[in-house]
Amino acid sequence: KAGVTQTPRYLIKTRGQQVTLSCSPISGHRSVSWYQQTPGQGLQFLFEYFSETQRNKGNFPGRFSGRQFSNSRSEMNVSTLELGDSALYLCASSLAQPYSGNTIYFGEGSWLTVV
Amino acid sequence: QQPVQSPQAVILREGEDAVINCSSSKALYSVHWYRQKHGEAPVFLMILLKGGEQKGHEKISASFNEKKQQSSLYLTASQLSYSGTYFCGTGDDNYGQNFVFGPGTRLSVLP
Repeated sequence: KAGVTQTPRYLIKTRGQQVTLSCSPISGHRSVSWYQQTPGQGLQFLFEYFSETQRNKGNFPGRFSGRQFSNSRSEMNVSTLELGDSALYLCASSLAQPYSGNTIYFGEGSWLTVV
Repeated sequence: QQPVQSPQAVILREGEDAVINCSSSKALYSVHWYRQKHGEAPVFLMILLKGGEQKGHEKISASFNEKKQQSSLYLTASQLSYSGTYFCGTGDDNYGQNFVFGPGTRLSVLP
């Protein structure tokens, strides 16, 4: 079956712009999580959605937001981009609760560069 | 409250064993382990839950000591394919409350 799909894979934005990243989870998976990975800060949890509801949120400013649709596809949005937002954004999907034993599958990520 | 991983980096010869530790200053409900190869997305290895049993997958296994608030990942008879950065992630409950990743341990397996 198809894996987790993230689009776009690479993008360059200008400071102050906004960006929307998309994630299609594995068919049947209802939980989608987002992570930011940078060389300096490592891997950081952004938020997790389950059945269109945000269940958990990491310690990120309100410029970072997300949503999940009824088909479990998810988007995350970053407004007023800053240089420090340059990172690899990873999406992961899980059948149900990812913190209770269900295997988590990552997409290949979206590389965002802010100039 | 990022968990601490040790060692930061380790170099092994093929066939040798390694242990990577992940410790937290708070009570944990779950510990996840991931491996990430350079330029690739992390790959989920296993999750250990409070009160659960030790997990294993081929030559990679892990334990979770709830009292000590730490987990250890055991790599036995390492193979070249084991090279990568290993991350642990810890959560307070089964909803991922305060889920946070460790800084990673870079493992290099040499022929």
